[in-house]
Amino acid sequence: QQQVKQSPQSLIVQKGGISIINCAYENTAFDYFPWYQQFPGKGPALLIAIRPDVSEKKEGRFTISFNKSAKQFSLHIMDSQPGDSATYFCAASREGNFNKFYFGSGTKLNVKP
Amino acid sequence: KAGVTQTPRYLIKTRGQQVTLSCSPISGHRSVSWYQQTPGQGLQFLFEYFSETQRNKGNFPGRFSGRQFSNSRSEMNVSTLELGDSALYLCASSFGVGVPNTEAFFGQGTRLTVV
Repeated sequence: QQQVKQSPQSLIVQKGGISIINCAYENTAFDYFPWYQQFPGKGPALLIAIRPDVSEKKEGRFTISFNKSAKQFSLHIMDSQPGDSATYFCAASREGNFNKFYFGSGTKLNVKP
Repeated sequence: KAGVTQTPRYLIKTRGQQVTLSCSPISGHRSVSWYQQTPGQGLQFLFEYFSETQRNKGNFPGRFSGRQFSNSRSEMNVSTLELGDSALYLCASSFGVGVPNTEAFFGQGTRLTVV
């Protein structure tokens, strides 16, 4: 059973546009939700993370929106740039699980110049 | 500040052989976790070590094992390699104490190909 479901699988956005990636989870015990960015040949890099006590977190052009009642969270990339073209993974973990992350299946983002 | 270092970057092994992968965490980090990344299954948790003790384990067969040394460096071993073990193996490090599940930083991975 997939604990974290991510959509879309791929996304094409024009430069300057907004990229939106969505994730849904089932386990209400999850209390930490990071997003990772991965370029080809590289390991995932932590982008931004949120805990369920807040509904939104913004860091530069990246924003996480969190809906606890719907068990959903999303990543918004404002003013998307070609350099943002990468694969994005959402993840979830729960306290006491010692960095055992359940990852979404990934979204391949292509930002067209 | 150096990041997470994984060695080697690439490996080619034959079915039935065994392999050992190494991970050096960020200085000061005491938790090391391992993940397998494949196109079909995505990123899957293998196990996590803190202060030389395995604290958590994923759903992988016993052929996959690991250990952590007193300097926090970690190794994982896969015995009796199968073709399906071909994957990118990623190591992540974090402080592992204090606020739970704080930032985990990944290395570049070891690309294992089993032929």
